[in-house]
Amino acid sequence: EVQLLESGGGLVQPGGSLRLSCAASEFTFGYYAMSWVRQAPGKGLEWVSAISNSGSSTYYADSVKGRFTISRDNSKNTLYLQMNSLRAEDTAVYYCAKVNDFWSGYPYMDVWGKGTTVTVSS
Amino acid sequence: SYELTQPPSVSVSPGQTARITCSGDALAKQYAYWYQQKPGQAPLLVIYKDSERPSGIPERFSGSSSGTTVTLTISGVQAEDEADYYCQSADSSGTYGGVVFGGGTKLTVL
Repeated sequence: EVQLLESGGGLVQPGGSLRLSCAASEFTFGYYAMSWVRQAPGKGLEWVSAISNSGSSTYYADSVKGRFTISRDNSKNTLYLQMNSLRAEDTAVYYCAKVNDFWSGYPYMDVWGKGTTVTVSS
Repeated sequence: SYELTQPPSVSVSPGQTARITCSGDALAKQYAYWYQQKPGQAPLLVIYKDSERPSGIPERFSGSSSGTTVTLTISGVQAEDEADYYCQSADSSGTYGGVVFGGGTKLTVL
């Protein structure tokens, strides 16, 4: 069964940093683009970032550009999200997701992890 | 950026048909995708490319598109279908510019 397992969430003070990881299994990780999507408490889904299958291309929502960095290690089947200069409004459940049809211009997320919770508070 | 607009809530009785709409200019040129999210769970893809159903998704889930509006239809609604539903589309410029989600619709089964 295709699986994604996020880790690395926790409580961090405003201005702090955190690195999230997403371990993939049961599919050829290096063939697919990957994405992070977050959901603030009681709110809807917000796309955060995406990375091409090779890692050579990265994309960010305006709300995190310059503060978050997405990366991947295809040899370890793992996706990362480095989050710096964290703000209270970054508090959310962060999901990693496998992206299908990335280069076709019609991307969508067909597999999601269970999420990891990030809380930014003093 | 662009927006996708969904009604905040839809209510139906068991066995009836639920229709959830999603509107946005990008939908005239882009496919729409629908995700179901139950409390405390991750989103689950239920419709892709406007009307295709992933394997394992019940046939009562269907999708359609007309101009700048797409519709998720759930026929013969069951109690287990009570959830939040989100539409999603992509930037219509042809290059990857991220994806956008609608605000979500809470489906209540009365």
